[in-house]
Amino acid sequence: GENVEQHPSTLSVQEGDSAVIKCTYSDSASNYFPWYKQELGKGPQLIIDIRSNVGEKKDQRIAVTLNKTAKHFSLHITETQPEDSAVYFCAASMGGSASKIIFGSGTRLSIRP
Amino acid sequence: KAGVTQTPRYLIKTRGQQVTLSCSPISGHRSVSWYQQTPGQGLQFLFEYFSETQRNKGNFPGRFSGRQFSNSRSEMNVSTLELGDSALYLCASSLQGDTEAFFGQGTRLTVV
Repeated sequence: GENVEQHPSTLSVQEGDSAVIKCTYSDSASNYFPWYKQELGKGPQLIIDIRSNVGEKKDQRIAVTLNKTAKHFSLHITETQPEDSAVYFCAASMGGSASKIIFGSGTRLSIRP
Repeated sequence: KAGVTQTPRYLIKTRGQQVTLSCSPISGHRSVSWYQQTPGQGLQFLFEYFSETQRNKGNFPGRFSGRQFSNSRSEMNVSTLELGDSALYLCASSLQGDTEAFFGQGTRLTVV
């Protein structure tokens, strides 16, 4: 089955700097890649997603890139702010489906003031 | 527009008991998926329901079951609870299952 690996497990960056989280997936049939942010005591919140027919997608300070050949995808957060501190999960799904999502192990992002 | 609602938020049960968790999806959403989140195993897919039918299933024992009603609300049941079932159980809803999935806040189950 699908396996998603995520690195790093923890990341600390200075406020205003950029943060990058990287993931790899194993099943070439995966074609939908969402990213979730989870704050303490809350459920995961979808922040951006990308489908396999697109190489890059951007939404304000957040961007995601996908390399299908290498089975890599990454989350880039620019101009980080204190409210970006949270756990971030990458994920993969097949058939364009959001209904069976395989998650990475998570990255705890801390923004230093 | 109301989000995904899960009840109860917290539960404490004893080993061997059973428990039922409830999920009300976003209005108009017909796909409901359930996930288990633990510190050791992370977020793991349990099952998905669409139009009252189980459409996908993860690798969990038969003690974990679910159902979906005609109004798309879903329930998840865990029988013969074990200590290892202690986790945050999350429900996610999606329009048809092929669009974005939105999560509820979860039900924190503690088995003692």
